[in-house]
Formats: sequence, structure tokens, C-alpha cells
Amino acid sequence: AQTVTQSQPEMSVQEAETVTLSCTYDTSESDYYLFWYKQPPSRQMILVIRQEAYKQQNATENRFSVNFQKAAKSFSLKISDSQLGDAAMYFCAYRVYGGSQGNLIFGKGTKLSVKP
Amino acid sequence: DVKVTQSSRYLVKRTGEKVFLECVQDMDHENMFWYRQDPGLGLRLIYFSYDVKMKEKGDIPEGYSVSREKKERFSLILESASTNQTSMYLCASSSLTSGRIGGEQFFGPGTRLTVL
Repeated sequence: AQTVTQSQPEMSVQEAETVTLSCTYDTSESDYYLFWYKQPPSRQMILVIRQEAYKQQNATENRFSVNFQKAAKSFSLKISDSQLGDAAMYFCAYRVYGGSQGNLIFGKGTKLSVKP
Repeated sequence: DVKVTQSSRYLVKRTGEKVFLECVQDMDHENMFWYRQDPGLGLRLIYFSYDVKMKEKGDIPEGYSVSREKKERFSLILESASTNQTSMYLCASSSLTSGRIGGEQFFGPGTRLTVL
């Protein structure tokens, strides 16, 4: 069975600094998607970034980038130039490619605090 | 702008009551999901549906049922609410993933249910 592990329940970063959130996963599949979702306090969960396993290039979205290490089954999220609005719960998620249902498997989350 | 809406942000019910949580999406998505979110446990899938009148059990279906009579609406039903069902409930939807693009789930704002 696939599993997703986020080993850091809480993280803290100074405003304008860089922080990296860790995620590892376990799967026997070779083709899959990985996601980072952000859930601000009392607000809707939104997608931050997506990585397709067949792509070797790491995904980037503005200040957010990932370090995808397929062999190590690692998928970390780097947030550069952290802003107060980045404070949120961050969830790593996995989905196997193919199949119509699109079930996601989530990690338990990392709570990120941003200090002014 | 894509939207997933949930009928209530906060709900308080008594033990033994029948509870209905409604979710509506306006994106013509085939897949819809109900998750339960608890601190330290992340998101756990209760039920999902990949078509009208179709449903599949997730990881924690006990004590819950679902209904999908229309494509845009997915209801979660607690037949006899219990205190251990006090939680945040999140609804999500996604499109059929027949190609490389896809896999993203769009989330509603959540319903915080308290069972007394």
C-alpha cells in the first residue's frame, strides 16, 4: 500500500528566509503524481505545486519549488523569501497515474509558522 | 473561478441525530470525495464517487454513508452521530484523469462538526 510521510509536524521560518518541508513516500508504482497542498488557518485548501514522476525536472511555481528524488522516494518543498501569508498547514499527497478515480493519499501535514 | 461549496462552515449536533453534510461543485467534475481531517492524522478518505449513483468506500467508511443523485452534488450522511465523529469534514472534486494532465483535487472550505 502506498504511504506518505511528513516527518516534521511543525516548522518555523523567519520572514524573507528559506524553508524546506520534507516528504517521503512509499510506492511500487513507477508512474504517479505528487502534490503539495496548502491550508491556511480557517481557509480553503489549495494546490501549491504538482510534480509528475516521469518528469526529471523539478517543478517550480514562483517562490515554491520541489526537490524530487525518485529513487529515494523523496519530495521536499522549498519556500523561498517566506512571507507571512505562507503560514499554513502543508500537506504532501500522492496519486498513482491512471485510473479514473483520482484518489489522493495524504501525509499528516506540517504546520509552518512565519516569524516577522 | 472553480468552486466547491459546502452547506455549513460550523455545525453542532447531538448524539444520535442524523446529520447531512452537503457538497456542491460547479466544475462538471466526475469525481467527488469526502475526507475527515483530525489534528495529527491528516486527511483520511471516507467515501468517494466517480459517477452519479456510484460510490466507493475509502479508508474509514464506518458510521457514514453517502449519496450522489446529481453530478454536482455529493452528500455525506451520519446515520446516528457519535461524539467520535466530531471533526472537520472536507469535500473535494476532480476531473477524470484520462491523460497526463490532471489529478488535482479542488477542495471546499470544510464543515467543522461538533457532536455533543
